[in-house]
Amino acid sequence: SQQGEEDPQALSIQEGENATMNCSYKTSINNLQWYRQNSGRGLVHLILIRSNEREKHSGRLRVTLDTSKKSSSLLITASRAADTASYFCATDVTGGGNKLTFGTGTQLKVEL
Amino acid sequence: NAGVMQNPRHLVRRRGQEARLRCSPMKGHSHVYWYRQLPEEGLKFMVYLQKENIIDESGMPKERFSAEFPKEGPSILRIQQVVRGDSAAYFCASSPRGGEGGYTFGSGTRLTVV
Repeated sequence: SQQGEEDPQALSIQEGENATMNCSYKTSINNLQWYRQNSGRGLVHLILIRSNEREKHSGRLRVTLDTSKKSSSLLITASRAADTASYFCATDVTGGGNKLTFGTGTQLKVEL
Repeated sequence: NAGVMQNPRHLVRRRGQEARLRCSPMKGHSHVYWYRQLPEEGLKFMVYLQKENIIDESGMPKERFSAEFPKEGPSILRIQQVVRGDSAAYFCASSPRGGEGGYTFGSGTRLTVV
């Protein structure tokens, strides 16, 4: 798998349900970040979790990081139609010179 | 605080022409990164610059692509003699100190080569 690979590739849920997206990576990281991208638009930074952190919350978002398994998850609770977007994880790899390595993304569709 | 400004938003070029993409980082940010996104894919790193210096260009194609971040003015990504395969969205991000504070992305420039 690639560095920063999301699972599932696509997810369709009903409004009000929770959405969980997973990200796996291969090498040691400084931090892992989640971004949202609406169709044809730029990226919006959602949350950053450092390598020494295990869980972080921001509003309806909850991110976990398991460095032993080299994986992270993004949970969106009580989803809304406006959450429909592509979600990317990006890793700041140790020794990588501060550039981000992005996964291929999860396309989330929240239906009314 | 206007955020990261990229222009133009959309750019159409014929094969063989030059494309110039501009990025003005957030005020106070001296680190600029360029990424390319092909349709239905994630972003791929191209180049990392600080003022007047290229720090990491490991993601830049060897030919036709160049980038600069002069002492004054925006960062420029230049693509010479464009080909259809250069059609993509090009995103610029800036950070205050090499990513420790997180990155702010611009809205991107969508290049179409016809």
